[in-house]
Amino acid sequence: SQTIHQWPATLVQPVGSPLSLECTVEGTSNPNLYWYRQAAGRGLQLLFYSVGIGQISSEVPQNLSASRPQDRQFILSSKKLLLSDSGFYLCAWRGPGQPFFGSGTQLSVL
Amino acid sequence: QKEVEQNSGPLSVPEGAIASLNCTYSDRGSQSFFWYRQYSGKSPELIMSIYSNGDKEDGRFTAQLNKASQYVSLLIRDSQPSDSATYLCAVPKAPRDDKIIFGKGTRLHILP
Repeated sequence: SQTIHQWPATLVQPVGSPLSLECTVEGTSNPNLYWYRQAAGRGLQLLFYSVGIGQISSEVPQNLSASRPQDRQFILSSKKLLLSDSGFYLCAWRGPGQPFFGSGTQLSVL
Repeated sequence: QKEVEQNSGPLSVPEGAIASLNCTYSDRGSQSFFWYRQYSGKSPELIMSIYSNGDKEDGRFTAQLNKASQYVSLLIRDSQPSDSATYLCAVPKAPRDDKIIFGKGTRLHILP
């Protein structure tokens, strides 16, 4: 069966520091991969979407970037974090059906 | 018009009653619809998907889709305190689009 791994679970970073969140999927090939962010008390905002290696679609202009160096690996990055980057970051994969989510990373930028 | 709209709640329902959650969407061509449940601090988990007009039942959950009116609803029968959570409606951004857009969710509180 398919599983999705996302780490770390929590992260506290100072403003201006870099960020790297990693997501990997097992048990499937060529999945669609997604990064969402959920700010406190708000809905899920789609940040990036990828249909294959090196193919990234950015949904919202911002301080973040994403990369897909391998078929089942999706990375979210920032060179310099802002306070507004705080939130719950979720990776998801989708095959022929509905999206499934990783366990999420709670990021606090201080 | 927002792409996917939900009443934020909170919706309070007595234990054992039916909880009714609604979602409207803007794109008439949308063909797939998903309901997720999210507990505080946790990631969303899929409850049901629905693709055709009408009702789809799974245990205590029933999803209802009306494409002409552009709404999809979720009914929870015999509500339990463990059903207290935020319920998210999700729809592809465009027909056959793999970008999935979520509503802001409805907070459901089951009263013991």
